[in-house]
Amino acid sequence: GENVEQHPSTLSVQEGDSAVIKCTYSDSASNYFPWYKQELGKGPQLIIDIRSNVGEKKDQRIAVTLNKTAKHFSLHITETQPEDSAVYFCARRELGGPGTYKYIFGTGTRLKVLA
Amino acid sequence: EAQVTQNPRYLITVTGKKLTVTCSQNMNHEYMSWYRQDPGLGLRQIYYSMNVEVTDKGDVPEGYKVSRKEKRNFPLILESPSPNQTSLYFCASIIREGGTDTQYFGPGTRLTVL
Repeated sequence: GENVEQHPSTLSVQEGDSAVIKCTYSDSASNYFPWYKQELGKGPQLIIDIRSNVGEKKDQRIAVTLNKTAKHFSLHITETQPEDSAVYFCARRELGGPGTYKYIFGTGTRLKVLA
Repeated sequence: EAQVTQNPRYLITVTGKKLTVTCSQNMNHEYMSWYRQDPGLGLRQIYYSMNVEVTDKGDVPEGYKVSRKEKRNFPLILESPSPNQTSLYFCASIIREGGTDTQYFGPGTRLTVL
C-alpha cells in the first residue's frame, strides 16, 4: 500500500505545552485512521481514531483532526505530562483482497515531555 | 484477562534454520495480523487473517508463511531465515465495534538472525 508520511520523527516539548503530530496519505479510499502509543518495551496501544466522515474527535487531552480533501490527519495532545513520553504511530486502513482490509502505518514520532 | 501472547519473546538463530513464532489471543477475535517493526520504518504488515483458513499478504510477506487453523492461533513461520529478517515482530488481533477497530498487540518478539 501507499505510505503514510509522519512528521516530525522526534518532538520535545515542555511539560504543560501542546504537541502536534501530522500524517499525510495519498490513497483517497482510506476511511479509517487510528493513532497508537508505544511505550518502551511494549506493543502499540490504540489511543484514538477517526473515520473519514468525521472532521475532529476529542478524548480528554487528546484530539485527532482529519482533512480529507488535503489528505492529512493530526494528533493533538494538550497539557502534556511526562507519562505522555512515548513513540506515536499514525495508521490508515485500506482495502486488501475482496472483503478484507489491511493497515499502513507511519514511521513513528518519538515524543519527549520535559519536566 | 484479555490478551495477545507471543512466544518466544527473544530469539537468536542462524541463517537457514526454520523457526516458528507463536501467537495466541483469548478474545475470540476474527482478525489477526503480524507486523515487523524496524527503526525508521515504523510497523509494516506482513500477513493478516480475516478468519480461520483465510489469510492474505500484507506489504512485506516475502520470506514468511502463516497459517490459521483455529481462531485463537496465528503462527508466523520463517522457513529459511535470513539476516534481513532481524527485527521486532508484533502479533495483533482486532475487534470491530461501532466503526472502531481496536487492535490489541502482543508484547513483541525480538528476532536476531546471524
